[in-house]
Amino acid sequence: DARVTQTPRHKVTEMGQEVTMRCQPILGHNTVFWYRQTMMQGLELLAYFRNRAPLDDSGMPKDRFSAEMPDATLATLKIQPSEPRDSAVYFCASGLSVMGTDTQYFGPGTRLTVL
Amino acid sequence: RKEVEQDPGPFNVPEGATVAFNCTYSNSASQSFFWYRQDCRKEPKLLMSVYSSGNEDGRFTAQLNRASQYISLLIRDSKLSDSATYLCVVIDRNTDKLIFGTGTRLQVFP
Repeated sequence: DARVTQTPRHKVTEMGQEVTMRCQPILGHNTVFWYRQTMMQGLELLAYFRNRAPLDDSGMPKDRFSAEMPDATLATLKIQPSEPRDSAVYFCASGLSVMGTDTQYFGPGTRLTVL
Repeated sequence: RKEVEQDPGPFNVPEGATVAFNCTYSNSASQSFFWYRQDCRKEPKLLMSVYSSGNEDGRFTAQLNRASQYISLLIRDSKLSDSATYLCVVIDRNTDKLIFGTGTRLQVFP
């Protein structure tokens, strides 16, 4: 049963610290997405990749967030420096994009708390 | 105004009831539509795609009205296990991005 995995599952850190979240997409999937979910805003798309190339990161605060895919089995989302308003659940999702349709499979999320 | 809007609920219904959710979208370039389900403190999971002609999967029926730009989800014979948040999702034809609604919470009680 193929799944998207994310680490860590929970992270508590202090303001100003660097946070790195990792995602292993489902093998064979060619798209990877990073979302942030809060009670107020719901699910927000931060960035996404197709065939490891970044396609859109317009939803991401550029000054502190960065997303990369060093290889097909790993996607990372980094926040430096972190702020309390970054507290949220960060989901990674992967999918197989064919003809413009894209069913996404979500990982379990990283629950981030910035104090 | 959000691109995809849903009534946040909660919808509190007894077991066995029929319940319907609507979702409206503002971008006419939207080309594909889905319903996802999210349990408390879990990740969203695909419930069903929504096709132009409408489609059914067991107790769940999804419909699309392109002219009025809304989609709906009907759940018949509600079960306790249907309690969750239901997220409406559209794909923008121009960007291939999935746009999520904020979800409608359903609580089924005995």
